[in-house]
Amino acid sequence: KQEVTQIPAALSVPEGENLVLNCSFTDSAIYNLQWFRQDPGKGLTSLLLIQSSQREQTSGRLNASLDKSSGRSTLYIAASQPGDSATYLCAPSGFNKFYFGSGTKLNVKP
Amino acid sequence: SQTIHQWPATLVQPVGSPLSLECTVEGTSNPNLYWYRQAAGRGLQLLFYSVGIGQISSEVPQNLSASRPQDRQFILSSKKLLLSDSGFYLCAWMKGTDTQYFGPGTRLTVL
Repeated sequence: KQEVTQIPAALSVPEGENLVLNCSFTDSAIYNLQWFRQDPGKGLTSLLLIQSSQREQTSGRLNASLDKSSGRSTLYIAASQPGDSATYLCAPSGFNKFYFGSGTKLNVKP
Repeated sequence: SQTIHQWPATLVQPVGSPLSLECTVEGTSNPNLYWYRQAAGRGLQLLFYSVGIGQISSEVPQNLSASRPQDRQFILSSKKLLLSDSGFYLCAWMKGTDTQYFGPGTRLTVL
């Protein structure tokens, strides 16, 4: 069964810092990997989807990389803003299913 | 464009009462549908998924059941709720190996 670990569990930084969130997974036979953002009491919002054949995806200040063979993905957030405060979840996918980590709770201080 | 709806948004139920949560998707056909539960401060646990009408896969043995009576409707049910059923229930849909999209969630409190 796929096990997903996200480090750190929580992170508090001043505004403007560049951040790296880490995700590791035990089964490298994945179809793709998705990064989500969750605001308190809300559903999940998709940030980036990386197909298994890709190495990285970029959207604005966000960049996600995937190293399938080592079972790792990182989400890089450039020039963090208070509006980036949320929980970030990574989810590698198997056939018809996504597996979720417990997330990294990010607080960006003004 | 596609949208996903869940209701109710919040629910408070006594132990032993029945449960029915509904999820509907608009703007797509034959999606994969998913039910997740998120306990306080924890990650998402996949409960059920469906690849077509009447086709339900259960991930975790539990007090819940799921049904898909129509292509874009997914229902989560229980005959008798337990305290441990409290949590945040999320419905999601996906096509192929593309992005998974989530609904707004239902907050269930069992007292």
